[in-house]
Amino acid sequence: TQLLEQSPQFLSIQEGENLTVYCNSSSVFSSLQWYRQEPGEGPVLLVTVVTGGEVKKLKRLTFQFGDARKDSSLHITAAQPGDTGLYLCAGELGNNYQLIWGAGTKLIIKP
Amino acid sequence: DAGVTQSPTHLIKTRGQHVTLRCSPISGHKSVSWYQQVLGQGPQFIFQYYEKEERGRGNFPDRFSARQFPNYSSELNVNALLLGDSALYLCASSLAGGVGAFFGQGTRLTVV
Repeated sequence: TQLLEQSPQFLSIQEGENLTVYCNSSSVFSSLQWYRQEPGEGPVLLVTVVTGGEVKKLKRLTFQFGDARKDSSLHITAAQPGDTGLYLCAGELGNNYQLIWGAGTKLIIKP
Repeated sequence: DAGVTQSPTHLIKTRGQHVTLRCSPISGHKSVSWYQQVLGQGPQFIFQYYEKEERGRGNFPDRFSARQFPNYSSELNVNALLLGDSALYLCASSLAGGVGAFFGQGTRLTVV
């Protein structure tokens, strides 16, 4: 059973469109991170959110942590082909010192 | 500055064999975590070490073991390899564990 559910699993859209990826759980996380992973590479940290309701922006990417710290979303505005990749969310449960990962959203942006 | 480095990058082993994977963390980072990522899935936590002590262990069999050295580098050992152990093994380092991990490029292990 996946503790963190990511949706959609796969998304293919045209350049210039907007999209949102969701990460949901029934568990409360002390922090949640979003990563992007290219094939054959390790995940690269995009952002960490720690406060319920927190919103962080990274250029065209907007990350939001739910008020109850159980869910998060990643919104990309005017997607570019360079945004193509696997987007993973990962949550930290208390002080467990481990990250619980979603299965990822494979995003393809077509030129 | 060098990031997290892992070796080897690719490895092919036969069922029943043993494998050792290595990881050097970012300079100054004292925590190393190991993850297994099967194709099409997110990473699964295996171990975390901090200051040479095991601080966390995921739901993996005893065939999996690890250690951290005084220079904070780490080894992951897997005994009696099974076909299902084929995966990308990722090492992540952080200052003190938890938030903000930096990952290496991984070791792609194929068990045949």
